[in-house]
Amino acid sequence: AQTVTQSQPEMSVQEAETVTLSCTYDTSENNYYLFWYKQPPSRQMILVIRQEAYKQQNATENRFSVNFQKAAKSFSLKISDSQLGDTAMYFCAYFRNSGNTPLVFGKGTRLSVIA
Amino acid sequence: KAGVTQTPRYLIKTRGQQVTLSCSPISGHRSVSWYQQTPGQGLQFLFEYFSETQRNKGNFPGRFSGRQFSNSRSEMNVSTLELGDSALYLCASSLGGQLNTEAFFGQGTRLTVV
Repeated sequence: AQTVTQSQPEMSVQEAETVTLSCTYDTSENNYYLFWYKQPPSRQMILVIRQEAYKQQNATENRFSVNFQKAAKSFSLKISDSQLGDTAMYFCAYFRNSGNTPLVFGKGTRLSVIA
Repeated sequence: KAGVTQTPRYLIKTRGQQVTLSCSPISGHRSVSWYQQTPGQGLQFLFEYFSETQRNKGNFPGRFSGRQFSNSRSEMNVSTLELGDSALYLCASSLGGQLNTEAFFGQGTRLTVV
């Protein structure tokens, strides 16, 4: 079974600084997607960034970028120029795109951005 | 385009009671998944419905059940509530099928069992 591990339960970063959240996963599949979701105190899960496993280029979305290391099964999220609004729980998730299987989530990293 | 709507937002129930939660997916989405979120266990998959059929099921007891209607709206039911069922229940909708590459979540229903 696929598993997703986030080894940092909590992190903090100063406003305007850069922070990296770690995620590793375990799979024998070759065709899959990886996601980072953000869950602020409002509880709404919001998709931050998505990476297709077949793409070598790392995905970027404005201040958010990933470091996808397929061989190492690592998928870290880098937040640049951190803002107070980035304070949230961040979940790494895996989705196998061959068959009808659900998203598999890590346990999350609580990020606090400090003014 | 309206997002995923979950009702109610908050619920307080007594042990032994049953509860029904509702999820209206984004228009055009045929897949609805349910997750239970607790501080200790994180997000755990309950089940997924696609075109009114349960397509996947997680490792939860039979007290947890669900269904999906022809308009893709879904309900989940928990019978004989236990204190440990207190959690945030999240619903996610997606297109389903081979285009199922992104899930959109509702704001969740916070269930407290006393």
